[in-house]
Amino acid sequence: AQSVTQPDIHITVSEGASLELRCNYSYGATPYLFWYVQSPGQGLQLLLKYFSGDTLVQGIKGFEAEFKRSQSSFNLRKPSVHWSDAAEYFCAVGAEGSYIPTFGRGTSLIVHP
Amino acid sequence: GAGVSQSPSNKVTEKGKDVELRCDPISGHTALYWYRQSLGQGLEFLIYFQGNSAPDKSGLPSDRFSAERTGGSVSTLTIQRTQQEDSAVYLCASNDRLNTEAFFGQGTRLTVV
Repeated sequence: AQSVTQPDIHITVSEGASLELRCNYSYGATPYLFWYVQSPGQGLQLLLKYFSGDTLVQGIKGFEAEFKRSQSSFNLRKPSVHWSDAAEYFCAVGAEGSYIPTFGRGTSLIVHP
Repeated sequence: GAGVSQSPSNKVTEKGKDVELRCDPISGHTALYWYRQSLGQGLEFLIYFQGNSAPDKSGLPSDRFSAERTGGSVSTLTIQRTQQEDSAVYLCASNDRLNTEAFFGQGTRLTVV
């Protein structure tokens, strides 16, 4: 069975600073990987996804993530954070033949002015 | 509708009462998921429906939890004899193909008092 670890429960950055949110997965084959964002009181919105091909994927709102098979990681990055990026971020993994995405516990992003 | 719709958005119930939570998936989506999000926790998978196949109920935490999906569209999650530990946000999601991204509703916040 697949699993996801998001080692950081909270991350605090200043507005304009760069951001990297960590995600490590466990799965024996090539996973399908997702990053979702949840703003307060809202559902989850997909930021980006990786299925195959180029390991650096671009998403919405200026986010990108890089799939590194050797490190079993799919870290989310943004070069310059905006105050509106403050939210909860979830990494998820799906697997070939396993139709139920498994989610990490989430990382709460706090943005200081 | 354009997105996944859940109702009610908030529900307060007394311990021991039964509750029903409703999910309207995106039209044409064959797969429907229910997740539970407790305070400070990630998303816990509850149940998965795919077309006319038997649902995957492996995530249901107890026999007080059940779900139906009528006509391959609307789904109802029922919690019988609610307990305080059932307090959480219940999220519904749908997608149209295996291992594509899931689209989430805004959730139902259930509070058991």
